Amino acid sequence: KAGVTQTPRYLIKTRGQQVTLSCSPISGHRSVSWYQQTPGQGLQFLFEYFSETQRNKGNFPGRFSGRQFSNSRSEMNVSTLELGDSALYLCASSLGLARTDTQYFGPGTRLTVL
Amino acid sequence: QKEVEQNSGPLSVPEGAIASLNCTYSDRGSQSFFWYRQYSGKSPELIMFIYSNGDKEDGRFTAQLNKASQYVSLLIRDSQPSDSATYLCAVNTGSGAGSYQLTFGKGTKLSVIP
Repeated sequence: KAGVTQTPRYLIKTRGQQVTLSCSPISGHRSVSWYQQTPGQGLQFLFEYFSETQRNKGNFPGRFSGRQFSNSRSEMNVSTLELGDSALYLCASSLGLARTDTQYFGPGTRLTVL
Repeated sequence: QKEVEQNSGPLSVPEGAIASLNCTYSDRGSQSFFWYRQYSGKSPELIMFIYSNGDKEDGRFTAQLNKASQYVSLLIRDSQPSDSATYLCAVNTGSGAGSYQLTFGKGTKLSVIP
């Protein structure tokens, strides 16, 4: 079974631009979560989507948004990029039905903001 | 603010020894707990999850949970150089069955010395 895939793997943007990252979950998984990882703050939860609805949300500004499509693929958008948005963005998927369902991470998208 | 605390290390152990990694969490209502391993430049990889008080063993790994003390630990027996990585403790504070909102510790860097 194929794992979680994320595109693109690397991205360079300038301040003020916007960016869209994509995540394809493991087949059959309906929950997709997004995380930001930086050396200073570590791994921080952004949001979780399940069946096209946002189910949980972390403490990030409104510049960070996401959505999920009917095939469970998800996109994350960051508008008005700031230097501090430079990070590894990780997507993770799970079945999302029971607390025994485990979450698997994709390889991540490395975003650099200049 | 839900917090997860880990000793950042580095923790150095000789090959063949037992490595002990510890984690405390602040949200007493947390129900599920995870240990992830992350190699440099890679995404987190799930090692173990635990939901009930006590020990859970899987091969060379044992997770221990004490909800009264809000404490989770991971023991790695017969440590190998390939175990050298950063170990992330995560607590799921998501609402609802199957819901995911992982709060991560900053991670403990483990070095296994041959």
